[in-house]
Amino acid sequence: EVQLVESGGGLVQPGGSLRLSCAASGFTFSSYWMSWVRQAPGKGLEWVANIKQDGSEKYYVDSVKGRFTISRDNAKNSLYLQMNSLRAEDTAVYYCARNSGSYQVWGQGTLVTVSS
Amino acid sequence: EIVMTQSPATLSVSPGERATLSCRASQSVSSNLAWYQQKPGQAPRLLIYGASTRATGIPARFSGSGSGTEFTLTISSLQSEDFAVYYCQQYNNWPPLWTFGQGTKVEIK
Repeated sequence: EVQLVESGGGLVQPGGSLRLSCAASGFTFSSYWMSWVRQAPGKGLEWVANIKQDGSEKYYVDSVKGRFTISRDNAKNSLYLQMNSLRAEDTAVYYCARNSGSYQVWGQGTLVTVSS
Repeated sequence: EIVMTQSPATLSVSPGERATLSCRASQSVSSNLAWYQQKPGQAPRLLIYGASTRATGIPARFSGSGSGTEFTLTISSLQSEDFAVYYCQQYNNWPPLWTFGQGTKVEIK
């Protein structure tokens, strides 16, 4: 079964850091671009970051540039999102998604709450 | 940045009726357009990619059309499980700064 499972969300104070993980199974992880997409409470979907199959290319939405870092470990079939200098507006459910242009496979999401 | 605009924001439809959702791009995205369905508390699900190709397991009552800047998702006969929020997403530009529309909520009339 093709599956993505996120972990690492939680409550963090403004200015703090958090690292999200996404474990992939059921497909050849190293063959796909991967992405993080987030959804603030009651709001729509927002693409956050993309990473190429070998990690050599990374792209970010402007609002997280310089604060978030996407990475992957193909040996561990895992995707990561290091989030630093977190702000209240980063509060959202974060999804990892398999990327072929369209997002064919999604995880269940992990909630990140930035609040004092 | 390519801006995706969906209309209407909310669509009230009776079960069994047809629903037509629109998505407009601020510049041409060719046929690099996808549609997703999201139900409360769930992750989005891919319905359509390439503007008109149904994803695996998607019922034939869902159809997509359009190219360039104007796109349509049609649900031919709404079932109870189709009441949800629908998003369009473009994946045309490079670098891959791909954007979503703001969503259309399909609710029971």
